Amino acid sequence: NAGVTQTPKFQVLKTGQSMTLQCAQDMNHNSMYWYRQDPGMGLRLIYYSASEGTTDKGEVPNGYNVSRLNKREFSLRLESAAPSQTSVYFCASSTPGGRQPQHFGDGTRLSIL
Amino acid sequence: QQQVKQSPQSLIVQKGGIPIINCAYENTAFDYFPWYQQFPGKGPALLIAIRPDVSEKKEGRFTISFNKSAKQFSLHIMDSQPGDSATYFCAARPGNNRKLIWGLGTSLAVNP
Repeated sequence: NAGVTQTPKFQVLKTGQSMTLQCAQDMNHNSMYWYRQDPGMGLRLIYYSASEGTTDKGEVPNGYNVSRLNKREFSLRLESAAPSQTSVYFCASSTPGGRQPQHFGDGTRLSIL
Repeated sequence: QQQVKQSPQSLIVQKGGIPIINCAYENTAFDYFPWYQQFPGKGPALLIAIRPDVSEKKEGRFTISFNKSAKQFSLHIMDSQPGDSATYFCAARPGNNRKLIWGLGTSLAVNP
């Protein structure tokens, strides 16, 4: 049972570089989410996708883009990385219905120098 | 603005103690209140959840108490163990929305 798989687990970038964080789930969930976690800031929603083909902005979308490639995969792209985007990024998925739990991956630890 | 206020930020208890983590909210449209547990290096995982028509829910050593009139809910961990050391997040769901509104988290340390 893989659940939610995120790649890479760690990454160091230079300011201005771009990269894509990958997320895939094998639970046949319709909804997928990208969060960032910073010390003392809790979990902040960047983007989410209620179903394949749809994406919506969350609380902190600036500087990010997403692609819902298919039902399984939801990627997060940093076009021009900034030091303020140094964070731990979590992908999550859930079935439809707001009371269904969100299942999280183990995160991508991203440092931008 | 913080729609779900969680306290304390950190908590240290001795093994066997009963740590209590509190959350307060303002939006009366919230209708689902989950708690998530996160171990270092891992993503959060659902621990226990409650609906506002229930005042208390127990699952093993974990209990949620819910006070609808005060718009507060809390997590109690009975007979706490060092393995319970983790960060705990409360959250709330506004109505028929898939998104969750998260508290800022409580770092719990249970000393042996």
